[in-house]
Amino acid sequence: QVQLQESGPGLVKPSQTLSLTCTVSGGSISSGDYYWTWVRQAPGKGLEWIGYIYYSGSTYYNPSLLGRVALSVDTSKNQFSLKLTSVTAADTAVYYCARTAGWLRFGFDYWGQGTLVTASS
Amino acid sequence: QSDLTQPASVSGSPGQSITISCTGTATDVGGYNYLSWYQQHPGKAPRLMIYAVSNRPSGVSSRFSGSKSGNTASLTISGLQLEDEANYYCSSYTSTSTVVFGGGTKLTVL
Repeated sequence: QVQLQESGPGLVKPSQTLSLTCTVSGGSISSGDYYWTWVRQAPGKGLEWIGYIYYSGSTYYNPSLLGRVALSVDTSKNQFSLKLTSVTAADTAVYYCARTAGWLRFGFDYWGQGTLVTASS
Repeated sequence: QSDLTQPASVSGSPGQSITISCTGTATDVGGYNYLSWYQQHPGKAPRLMIYAVSNRPSGVSSRFSGSKSGNTASLTISGLQLEDEANYYCSSYTSTSTVVFGGGTKLTVL
């Protein structure tokens, strides 16, 4: 059974960088079948796709976050990571990591439990 | 990219059927059969209910079904149960290789 677990600071100061890591267990992140994804949800709001990364390092990002977001993958640790720079209060959200695949037509079948990140001084 | 359009809320009584719509454009919903639906209970992670417009992952009840016509997709839940009360989101792959979500629909089971 695949499991994903987010980790990282729960509090980030405005203008600083938000950094989160997702650890994948029960499956290899290097499997060519899957894309590894970040989604966030501001308090009381809907889901917002942030971006996804393939094990080779290819990335695709939400255009609204271009210039501030970067995803990376560490196959040796079976982890992938999110960095979001110049955070503001608007970046306060629960951040989820998830898995998708071409055969799923980019549906996200496994999710982490989510981690709340608050941008506040 | 713009969010897909969903009704803010729908409601139904136990045993009834309801349908939630998800409207996009020819560059997302209408252009691909890459439409998914998620159920999210408060404080929980989303759960994939439908992928590729009408496919159910293992473990999802057959009471959930999906369809698409043009730029609008639909999720139908038949035989409503109290545990179906949740927020539902659609998502679609887009022509720029990105993913876009709908704004979400709150389902109330009366």
